[in-house]
Amino acid sequence: AQKITQTQPGMFVQEKEAVTLDCTYDTSDQSYGLFWYKQPSSGEMIFLIYQGSYDEQNATEGRYSLNFQKARKSANLVISASQLGDSAMYFCAMRSLYGNKLVFGAGTILRVKS
Amino acid sequence: EAQVTQNPRYLITVTGKKLTVTCSQNMNHEYMSWYRQDPGLGLRQIYYSMNVEVTDKGDVPEGYKVSRKEKRNFPLILESPSPNQTSLYFCASSLRGQGINEQYFGPGTRLTVT
Repeated sequence: AQKITQTQPGMFVQEKEAVTLDCTYDTSDQSYGLFWYKQPSSGEMIFLIYQGSYDEQNATEGRYSLNFQKARKSANLVISASQLGDSAMYFCAMRSLYGNKLVFGAGTILRVKS
Repeated sequence: EAQVTQNPRYLITVTGKKLTVTCSQNMNHEYMSWYRQDPGLGLRQIYYSMNVEVTDKGDVPEGYKVSRKEKRNFPLILESPSPNQTSLYFCASSLRGQGINEQYFGPGTRLTVT
């Protein structure tokens, strides 16, 4: 069975600073993908970034980067230069190559302070 | 515009009154799925469909039904809603059922059962 653990229920960060949101996962599969989604207060799920289990480089998308440490089974999201609009719920999720669903963590609420 | 649509976006109903939440995608995706989101639990899969006329249970299927008669539509049916089905529901689709494909999410349906 697959499992995603997000240990930080809530985080605060000062505007313009960087923040790391933690995500650890558990799977016996060799081929899988890790995803991060943002959910603002309006409720929609916004895809942020993806990392494949065989990707050697850490994924980056603009101000988002994924710190992938395969041996430690962690896939932390790093947001650089935080903005007020980054305040939202963030979900880490994974999907195996032969799986039929995304498995989600419980989420981390991020609040950016001005 | 490529998108997943859900209707209604908000629904308040009473226990036992049958309801249907519609989901439609315009990307010719084979795979569609329903999730429910509850505080502290993240998103959990209810049902999924690998293609037309192919559906299967996810992690929390009790009290729900689905059908996939057309590729673009995947309605979620609550035959006799109960208060424990009060939740935020998401429909999602991806190109294929297998493989690590990004899932595209609908805007969500907030359901309250009194």
